[in-house]
Amino acid sequence: DVKVTQSSRYLVKRTGEKVFLECVQDMDHENMFWYRQDPGLGLRLIYFSYDVKMKEKGDIPEGYSVSREKKERFSLILESASTNQTSMYLCASSLQGRQGHYEQYFGPGTRLTVT
Amino acid sequence: DQQVKQNSPSLSVQEGRISILNCDYTNSMFDYFLWYKKYPAEGPTFLISISSIKDKNEDGRFTVFLNKSAKHLSLHIVPSQPGDSAVYFCAASADTNAGKSTFGDGTTLTVKP
Repeated sequence: DVKVTQSSRYLVKRTGEKVFLECVQDMDHENMFWYRQDPGLGLRLIYFSYDVKMKEKGDIPEGYSVSREKKERFSLILESASTNQTSMYLCASSLQGRQGHYEQYFGPGTRLTVT
Repeated sequence: DQQVKQNSPSLSVQEGRISILNCDYTNSMFDYFLWYKKYPAEGPTFLISISSIKDKNEDGRFTVFLNKSAKHLSLHIVPSQPGDSAVYFCAASADTNAGKSTFGDGTTLTVKP
């Protein structure tokens, strides 16, 4: 079974702190993604990566950065956390499925609260 | 501009009846469409997909229909079960941007016993 793990299920940080969210996948997937999920807004893509040391901005990259030094690990960094970054953060990795689609496998999520 | 839309935030059906979840898209470059299911406190899990060259894909109780001319797809669940109660996300991807999907806002399905 594919497993995507995230370092924390719940996290509380103060405004201005630097926050690291870690994600690890164990199936040698090329693609990895970071999303945030907010009520009524669905899943919004923050950053994604097609390979080690490669990254591309998603739809809402402002206030975030990422790091992918190893294929299995994709980190999301909040340089200076703000209250509007309070959200559920979901990491995913993807594999090309039988019908040619890229099915994504998600971690359990990290609920981040910034106070 | 929201490229994938799920216009119904919630849907409630009786156990044993059909659930129909709808999704509309605007980008004609989308090649693949996927449905994900999400329980509270868990990440979404892949449910079923359809390629743009097909108009129907079936997997057990789940069937996805695609109407390309209308840029519309729907997920049918028959018969609905209480365990199907979850948030369902529609997603779309383009072959030229392999791996990246655009998600809708989700529809919360409640199946009542």
